Amino acid sequence: DAGVTQSPTHLIKTRGQQVTLRCSPKSGHDTVSWYQQALGQGPQFIFQYYEEEERQRGNFPDRFSGHQFPNYSSELNVNALLLGDSALYLCASSRGLAGRETQYFGPGTRLLVL
Amino acid sequence: AQSVTQLDSQVPVFEEAPVELRCNYSSSVSVYLFWYVQYPNQGLQLLLKYLSGSTLVKGINGFEAEFNKSQTSFHLRKPSVHISDTAEYFCAVTARMDSSYKLIFGSGTRLLVRP
Repeated sequence: DAGVTQSPTHLIKTRGQQVTLRCSPKSGHDTVSWYQQALGQGPQFIFQYYEEEERQRGNFPDRFSGHQFPNYSSELNVNALLLGDSALYLCASSRGLAGRETQYFGPGTRLLVL
Repeated sequence: AQSVTQLDSQVPVFEEAPVELRCNYSSSVSVYLFWYVQYPNQGLQLLLKYLSGSTLVKGINGFEAEFNKSQTSFHLRKPSVHISDTAEYFCAVTARMDSSYKLIFGSGTRLLVRP
């Protein structure tokens, strides 16, 4: 049973560019959440998708957007990249929206903005 | 709103010694509590979680944690650590009553096990 997968593993972009990160949830999971983890920090919640809709959003600007597809996979898009967007981006999947459900994390995509 | 405080940024300990990683949370509502571990260049793996019931929760790799509502704490313990336990440990909280939910993480504690 494949766990949560993310692509690419690493990415280098320059300021002002746009980037798309991809996530495939664990089998049987229908909810995807995205987190940003800056170096030496804990993960920060970006947003969460369920039934192809954004259900909850953290304190991130509109430059961060996402999408969920009918097969439950998800994309995170970041426009007009800033140096401060350099971080590890983590995707987590779970069943439904109940807070008691465990979120399973992927290995992350490490984004470097130059 | 919920928040999590992990006061110790790094905890050095010798192999086979006991360890406690501290976590305190603040919330105006009942919460679920989690401990995750992150090995270098990897994602997060769930160690254990508290949902309800017994306040002592046992997890994987010999770890356990105790929920203390009066002290709003959820400290992680292991009676005897191994070199392989060297990693970053994150405490996280989510509110029970949200219709959807997000995990709020602490800043992490780096456990460094020395031979």
